[in-house]
Amino acid sequence: EAGVVQSPRYKIIEKKQPVAFWCNPISGHNTLYWYLQNLGQGPELLIRYENEEAVDDSQLPKDRFSAERLKGVDSTLKIQPAELGDSAVYLCASSLDITGASYNEQFFGPGTRLTVL
Amino acid sequence: QQPVQSPQAVILREGEDAVINCSSSKALYSVHWYRQKHGEAPVFLMILLKGGEQKGHEKISASFNEKKQQSSLYLTASQLSYSGTYFCGTEPDSGGYQKVTFGIGTKLQVIP
Repeated sequence: EAGVVQSPRYKIIEKKQPVAFWCNPISGHNTLYWYLQNLGQGPELLIRYENEEAVDDSQLPKDRFSAERLKGVDSTLKIQPAELGDSAVYLCASSLDITGASYNEQFFGPGTRLTVL
Repeated sequence: QQPVQSPQAVILREGEDAVINCSSSKALYSVHWYRQKHGEAPVFLMILLKGGEQKGHEKISASFNEKKQQSSLYLTASQLSYSGTYFCGTEPDSGGYQKVTFGIGTKLQVIP
């Protein structure tokens, strides 16, 4: 079974430029997460989707960040314009949340390492 | 609120044991443990639910003391492959959907 796929793996841009990251979750997984991971830190949730609905975007800086999950499968995270402080690894994760289940194991993708110059 | 992990780093020789602790100031519903190797994705190890259960995964096991809002990860007879950063993620016991918040990690290095 294929894991979570992310692209690109690395991206270097100049500040004020736009950038987009793509994620393809594990087939059949209804929940998708975008995390930001700074060096030496744990993943921090940016947004969580249940199917195509964003159910938790409270930590997403909406002035410059946007995300979409059309058709409840693939997802794109965009930053426009990028700032120096956005340099980090952006992780995508997916899980299968079954109604009535009391936990969900998240499967992470390899991440996109963004460097803003 | 971010859980607190201890120690921040540990070096072991192959075959030695280690304990990584995770504590929260909030009542918890679940604790998640992941391992991440440098430049790779975090990999799921186990989830513990409130009820004080203990789980095992090969030579890695964990406990969850909901009264103390703490979880511990036990690595026995460590192998070189155990090297990496271990993250705990905690889910508050507040009802309904609650996001998992990860600690800053414990860096474990196993040397020959």
